[in-house]
Amino acid sequence: EPEVTQTPSHQVTQMGQEVILRCVPISNHLYFYWYRQILGQKVEFLVSFYNNEISEKSEIFDDQFSVERPDGSNFTLKIRSTKLEDSAMYFCASSGTGKGPYGYTFGSGTRLTVV
Amino acid sequence: GQQVMQIPQYQHVQEGEDFTTYCNSSTTLSNIQWYKQRPGGHPVFLIQLVKSGEVKKQKRLTFQFGEAKKNSSLHITATQTTDVGTYFCAGFTGNQFYFGTGTSLTVIP
Repeated sequence: EPEVTQTPSHQVTQMGQEVILRCVPISNHLYFYWYRQILGQKVEFLVSFYNNEISEKSEIFDDQFSVERPDGSNFTLKIRSTKLEDSAMYFCASSGTGKGPYGYTFGSGTRLTVV
Repeated sequence: GQQVMQIPQYQHVQEGEDFTTYCNSSTTLSNIQWYKQRPGGHPVFLIQLVKSGEVKKQKRLTFQFGEAKKNSSLHITATQTTDVGTYFCAGFTGNQFYFGTGTSLTVIP
């Protein structure tokens, strides 16, 4: 079964450093997403990406965040200057269409720890 | 802003008992999805409901979408230890899904 692949699985970084989280969505999917989940809390929407541009973003996705699809397969989330409160599990997801019906396929996540 | 709440937040059941989680939105949803997240895992898509009053079944799981499309429920009959995890609803409104707060299910053997 097709998978969404995320690397690295765990990233530890110092506060103020830049991090890039990488994702390889399912190859024939058109919509890509980043979500985050602070430990023990709900999954929060960050951004959706379609046709090489951001289609929606949440209030969490401020100027410190950016996304790119540098080639035909990778989808990255960059945090320019990490803060302690950015520590969370970051999930990439992709879907064939914006509304399903097949739902989003999530990657296994990258656990970001900011120290 | 958009709010999708779930109750209960936690539920402990004896194996074999039934379990229900309820999802409520502050606004009308165009559709709703349910996901299961095992401890330490990632959300896994279970089902999508689109029509008002829709009911879908997957083996021991029954999903329902309210008539007003503002609430939904997931009912598990005769829980098993493999049902352990957090169940999230995700309501679609506007252009994105808003995940609910989740219900964490513990099944006691």
